[in-house]
Amino acid sequence: EVQLLESGGNLVQPGGSLRLSCVASGFTFTKYAMSWVRQAPGKGLECVSVITTGGTNTYYTDSVKGRFTISRDNSKNTLYLQMNNLRAEDTAVYYCARPKWSGELVGDLDSWGQGTLVTVSS
Amino acid sequence: DIVMTQSPDSLAVSLGERATINCKSSQSVLYTSNNKSYLAWYQQKPGQPPKLLIYWASIRESGVPDRFSGSGSGTDFTLTISRLQAEDVAVYYCQQCYIAPFTFGPGTKVDIE
Repeated sequence: EVQLLESGGNLVQPGGSLRLSCVASGFTFTKYAMSWVRQAPGKGLECVSVITTGGTNTYYTDSVKGRFTISRDNSKNTLYLQMNNLRAEDTAVYYCARPKWSGELVGDLDSWGQGTLVTVSS
Repeated sequence: DIVMTQSPDSLAVSLGERATINCKSSQSVLYTSNNKSYLAWYQQKPGQPPKLLIYWASIRESGVPDRFSGSGSGTDFTLTISRLQAEDVAVYYCQQCYIAPFTFGPGTKVDIE
């Protein structure tokens, strides 16, 4: 059974930093691109970042470019999202998600974690 | 990034009736080499992560009831719920899976009339 377990969400002040983690199990992590998707309270879904299987290529939505960094440690089956210079508008539940197929870069997300809440407030 | 739009923002349909949701992408998501449109549909219920319903614009995910169907190609897509059931009350999102980051539409809320 595929499992994705996010952690690291917390209350942080504007300008602060957080690192989110997502531990994956139940599948061959190294074969799948991975995504972080967030959802602000009462709002829609936003694809924050995507990373290819080996971590060579990364992609970001415009609003987080230069502030967030996605990475992965394939030896630990773990996906990360380093978030710096956080803003109030980054407040959201952050989901780790895996696509339906293995491959360098795939977007159809059929497995999701339960999410971790990041609150940016003074 | 590819911009996704959806219409309507919300709709209310009687039980057993048809619900139709439209989705447009700012550029084509059709991969001409395999003639597949890289467009997915998700259902999200309160307090839950999204659930993949449809991929490649029209292929139903395993276990998804056949009252859900997807259609369209290129830039214009439709999700149809042929006979709305009470358990279909949710927000529905389209997502382009053609160019990363894989952007979502703003969502359409479906309720019972």
